[in-house]
Amino acid sequence: ELKVEQNPLFLSMQEGKNYTIYCNYSTTSDRLYWYRQDPGKSLESLFVLLSNGAVKQEGRLMASLDTKARLSTLHITAAVHDLSATYFCAVDVLNSGGYQKVTFGTGTKLQVIP
Amino acid sequence: EPEVTQTPSHQVTQMGQEVILRCVPISNHLYFYWYRQILGQKVEFLVSFYNNEISEKSEIFDDQFSVERPDGSNFTLKIRSTKLEDSAMYFCASSEIATSTDTQYFGPGTRLTVL
Repeated sequence: ELKVEQNPLFLSMQEGKNYTIYCNYSTTSDRLYWYRQDPGKSLESLFVLLSNGAVKQEGRLMASLDTKARLSTLHITAAVHDLSATYFCAVDVLNSGGYQKVTFGTGTKLQVIP
Repeated sequence: EPEVTQTPSHQVTQMGQEVILRCVPISNHLYFYWYRQILGQKVEFLVSFYNNEISEKSEIFDDQFSVERPDGSNFTLKIRSTKLEDSAMYFCASSEIATSTDTQYFGPGTRLTVL
């Protein structure tokens, strides 16, 4: 069974600081996603990573993928309060029929303190 | 911008009752999904649906659950006899092509409360 683990589970950081969230998964994956969820809200897609070495950046967030290590990172640069949310990684595996099954990580709750 | 919509936003039901949660996926999308999220916990995959068939389901999606695309726009999740532990946020998602680079777009969710 595919396992997806994130760490840390909780992260409290000051504005202006940098930090990295880690996502480890237990089997070969076809695709890895990062999502943001604000309290009581739905999931917002941040990044889709497709291949080994993929790096994507949007604003203060940068995601990378190492398929050999089965590891993805979400790096936060110079955090601002608006980034406070829960961040999920999700790993996508195609089943034998060629259809997606997405398994989510445990989530990292980020709190950015002014 | 097209979006996935879900109704109702909040459903309260008594244990043992049937509920139907409704979703309208993005119009040109072909693949549909249901997920649930128990309060404060991670998102769990329930089922994926394509071409009027279930293409994958998780161990959570037992005989009490069913999905249907009754017409060209709606995608429904039915829980036949709700249990207390079914209380959760249920998210519908859709994607254009399951095996491409397309991501899944999530709806706003339906909060189900079973009393």
